[in-house]
Order: sequence, then structure tokens, then C-alpha cells
Amino acid sequence: GAGVSQSPRYKVAKRGQDVALRCDPISGHVSLFWYQQALGQGPEFLTYFQNEAQLDKSGLPSDRFFAERPEGSVSTLKIQRTQQEDSAVYLCASSLGLAQYNEQFFGPGTRLTVL
Amino acid sequence: DQQVKQNSPSLSVQEGRISILNCDYTNSMFDYFLWYKKYPAEGPTFLISISSIKDKNEDGRFTVFLNKSAKHLSLHIVPSQPGDSAVYFCAASASAGNNRKLIWGLGTSLAVNP
Repeated sequence: GAGVSQSPRYKVAKRGQDVALRCDPISGHVSLFWYQQALGQGPEFLTYFQNEAQLDKSGLPSDRFFAERPEGSVSTLKIQRTQQEDSAVYLCASSLGLAQYNEQFFGPGTRLTVL
Repeated sequence: DQQVKQNSPSLSVQEGRISILNCDYTNSMFDYFLWYKKYPAEGPTFLISISSIKDKNEDGRFTVFLNKSAKHLSLHIVPSQPGDSAVYFCAASASAGNNRKLIWGLGTSLAVNP
């Protein structure tokens, strides 16, 4: 069966450019998470969706970061006016339900490099 | 401030021996803990989990032990195999509201030598 997919896998952006990263969760999964993983670090939480509702965006580092999931399925993470410190791997994860014990399934990530 | 700590950046063991990966946490609100395995250029893959009401969970070669009083958990892999070579992340969550976000350690790179 299809897992979580992300596109593009790699993105190189010039500083100041806007980027959009896409996540296709596992079909039927209610919860969707975005994480940012800098080199040599563990993933850091960015934002959480329950269906189309963005219930927590406390991890977004600045107002240049925006995420949406308009139909409760595909999600897009947008970064405006990219900066070098935005360079990282952006991971998307989905889980089946709302219960805490639902495993989060991860996509392969999008590696963003800002020059 | 790291709420989940993996103090060993790397570990090397011989094939067939036991691998023990350690994790400490500081937030007493955490009540669910997970181990993920990550290969280069791939996303993390779930390995095993444990809730705070238990002190041990076993799945095949993998066992996780939880010591709540010490705020410590460990992952045991027996016997270790070369295919187990990867980065292992410890993660934790707290049952707060509707958010099940995971708080991660920095990872431990395990090398299993043939």
C-alpha cells in the first residue's frame, strides 16, 4: 500500500525565494504533522492538523512559514522569503486517528537548501 | 532545552551481540514513548513503543524498558544484525489536548559490525 509521499524530494532555493512543499498522507489518516530536521538534530515539531483544522502551529519558527490542508488530505507547507537558516529536511507524518497511541508514519522528507 | 536526551551519539557492536540504546527525559508529563529507526535519505520508521503504565514492551528482537522514577528508557536489540545499522531516535509525547506531537532526541547512530 502507499505510504506517505512528499514532493519535491530535494529543493534548492535562492535566498528570498518562496517555496512550497507537498505532503500526501496515507489515505484516511486523520492526523497530519510537519517536522523540521536540521543536520545532526532530531526532528522538531512545526504544526499539526486534524482533518482540515490546524490545531497547533506553535512550532512554526516565524510568520514566513504557513501550512494548509484545505480538504483534510494533501497538505502544503509554504515558506516565504526563504533564509539560509531554513535549510533542513522537512518531514511530514500522518496517523490514523486521534488517539495518542496511533503510530505516526513518516514520508521520506524534502531536503531544502537555501543558497 | 532538550526534553528528550540521547547522550550517546554513536554505538558500535558486533553482530550477534546485544545493542543497548539509552534515552532520558525531563518532562514528567510524557506518558508515551517511541523508538524510530532512520536510514539515510529516508523518513523515520516506527520500531516499538511503550506507554507509561508499562515498564517493558517486547517485539521480536526489540525490547523497550521504561524506568519512570529515573525518567529513563532503553532499547535492547538482541541479537544485533548488520541491517540494524541506522540512526535510532527516541521520541516522547504527552496526552495534552488534541495534539500528539512527538518530542525527539538527537539520535544515536548504531553500527553493527559483521
